Amino acid sequence: EIVLTQSPGTLSMSPGERATLSCRASQSVSSSYLAWYQQKPGQAPRLLIYGASSRATGIPDRFSGSGSGTDFTLTISRLEPEDFVVYYCQQYGSSPQTFGQGTKLEIK
Amino acid sequence: EVQLLESGGGLVQPGGSLRLSCAASGFTFSTYAMSWVRQGLGKGLEWVSAISGSGGSTYYADSVKGRFTISRDNSKNTLYLQMNSLRVDDTAVYYCANQQWLVPNWFDPWGQGTLVTVSS
Repeated sequence: EIVLTQSPGTLSMSPGERATLSCRASQSVSSSYLAWYQQKPGQAPRLLIYGASSRATGIPDRFSGSGSGTDFTLTISRLEPEDFVVYYCQQYGSSPQTFGQGTKLEIK
Repeated sequence: EVQLLESGGGLVQPGGSLRLSCAASGFTFSTYAMSWVRQGLGKGLEWVSAISGSGGSTYYADSVKGRFTISRDNSKNTLYLQMNSLRVDDTAVYYCANQQWLVPNWFDPWGQGTLVTVSS
């Protein structure tokens, strides 16, 4: 089973800043089959990125994904107030599909 | 509009059973694989089980294998999760999610979730 480790656990930033969230896999994720989700309090997760770098429908272009192999990054170019929530990565390159433990983005 | 609506959650004693349902609308249900994903209160996400569009293939996490059964009724556009021999650590919000055309894959969209509490 591929273990995904997200860092940092909590990231303190200010609106307008650029945020970089990391997701590291215990072994290579085949074909960059990695997704990112955003979860607001009391809501279900929402797909942001799939295939490591493809934005899902309706996702603002301030969200971008990159990486391959074992190291992946979600970048939010200019933080908006509604972006200060929790983010998860997920690998679907091998079974079982697994999630990272999440990064909480909080307002500094 | 694509919608997924879970139901069937509640309070159950350890060792008990519960059946969750997920009603789908707004897309051709039988075309898509579907999954259940759970989230313990204040915790992260854990994939539980998946089923192919036809229902002919099923997949389970080791933590639920032999206790949970996933199924679907494509004539009713409904996904199910039969949960037996429930344990305290099965307590979570259970989400159904569209897994697109194959397993594994990304999840989009998700339902709003239903809470299962296993406690004496």
